[in-house]
Amino acid sequence: DQQVKQNSPSLSVQEGRISILNCDYTNSMFDYFLWYKKYPAEGPTFLISISSIKDKNEDGRFTVFLNKSAKHLSLHIVPSQPGDSAVYFCAASETSGSRLTFGEGTQLTVNP
Amino acid sequence: AAGVIQSPRHLIKEKRETATLKCYPIPRHDTVYWYQQGPGQDPQFLISFYEKMQSDKGSIPDRFSAQQFSDYHSELNMSSLELGDSALYFCASSPRQGRETQYFGPGTRLLVL
Repeated sequence: DQQVKQNSPSLSVQEGRISILNCDYTNSMFDYFLWYKKYPAEGPTFLISISSIKDKNEDGRFTVFLNKSAKHLSLHIVPSQPGDSAVYFCAASETSGSRLTFGEGTQLTVNP
Repeated sequence: AAGVIQSPRHLIKEKRETATLKCYPIPRHDTVYWYQQGPGQDPQFLISFYEKMQSDKGSIPDRFSAQQFSDYHSELNMSSLELGDSALYFCASSPRQGRETQYFGPGTRLLVL
């Protein structure tokens, strides 16, 4: 069973606009949530994370929102840039240092 | 900044052969994780080590084994390779402080013919 789901396989936005990537989870034991960006032939690059005790974390152009009651999180990228075009993975873990469970990924394309 | 190093980057093997993948974590990171990503799939957790001891085990076949050495590098040994083992194998490491964040290496692409 897919405990972390990214229901949108792809997303296309215009440069300068906001990109919103969504992620849902089913395991209520998840305590940490992370977003990774992945280019072809490279490993996932850590972007931003959030602990379950928070509902928002911001780092530059990236903001992650967590709605624990809805078991939903989202990544906002503002403003979007063409270099942001990549596959974005949502991941979750039950405790600090435990295994990551990944979503299926969303291919983001930012058009100039 | 130093990153996770994996070698080799590409590997081609025949069925029933063995393969050894190596991972060198970021300096002062004491936890290593291995993940497998099949074509069009998300990364799946295989196994992890903390301070040279196995800390967690996922869906890793019995044909695979792994260990972490005194210098914290890790090796994933794969025997009796099958066509279905063809995948990207990622290693990740995390630090003692801030263990919740895992940093990934570039991966080893294994092709079994």
